[in-house]
Amino acid sequence: AQSVTQLDSQVPVFEEAPVELRCNYSSSVSVYLFWYVQYPNQGLQLLLKYLSGSTLVESINGFEAEFNKSQTSFHLRKPSVHISDTAEYFCAVIFLSGGYNKLIFGAGTRLAVHP
Amino acid sequence: DVKVTQSSRYLVKRTGEKVFLECVQDMDHENMFWYRQDPGLGLRLIYFSYDVKMKEKGDIPEGYSVSREKKERFSLILESASTNQTSMYLCASNSFGGGGHEQYFGPGTRLTVT
Repeated sequence: AQSVTQLDSQVPVFEEAPVELRCNYSSSVSVYLFWYVQYPNQGLQLLLKYLSGSTLVESINGFEAEFNKSQTSFHLRKPSVHISDTAEYFCAVIFLSGGYNKLIFGAGTRLAVHP
Repeated sequence: DVKVTQSSRYLVKRTGEKVFLECVQDMDHENMFWYRQDPGLGLRLIYFSYDVKMKEKGDIPEGYSVSREKKERFSLILESASTNQTSMYLCASNSFGGGGHEQYFGPGTRLTVT
């Protein structure tokens, strides 16, 4: 079965420290990859996506993620976090296996940035 | 900007009640989705629709139905609410062929069934 695994349910970190949120997916078929962010009491917003091309993608607020096909991973990184980055982050994958391709979400990682 | 709105942010209903959750999008998107969000489980797809009056079951359709009479509106119906349907419900939309592209989410409805 196709699945998405976020290896950490919670990540506490101090302000200005680097952070990595890990995401792995199960299948070797072609994929589209996404990271969504959910701030408290809000819906999900797209942070960044990989569809094709360069395996390193960046967001406007300093996050980046790298598609690693051999390791079936799409980890999210930021070199220096801010208090305002406190949110829940969801990795999501579309497995391109024919027919309608659903977006499959990981369980989420709650990032807590402390002063 | 794409806007997806949901009729209520918070809703409290009693067991056995019929519950309607409404979602409206303003970008003429063909595809609309209903998800359920629970801690530790991420988002799970309940139903989706790729056209007016068309619907497809997602991963957890049991206990739910949907209605799409107009392109911009997608309703989720709980025929007889139960306590295990207490959850956050998120609506999303995207354009046709958007199976490979981002979905736009509403703010969510937090439903409590007592």
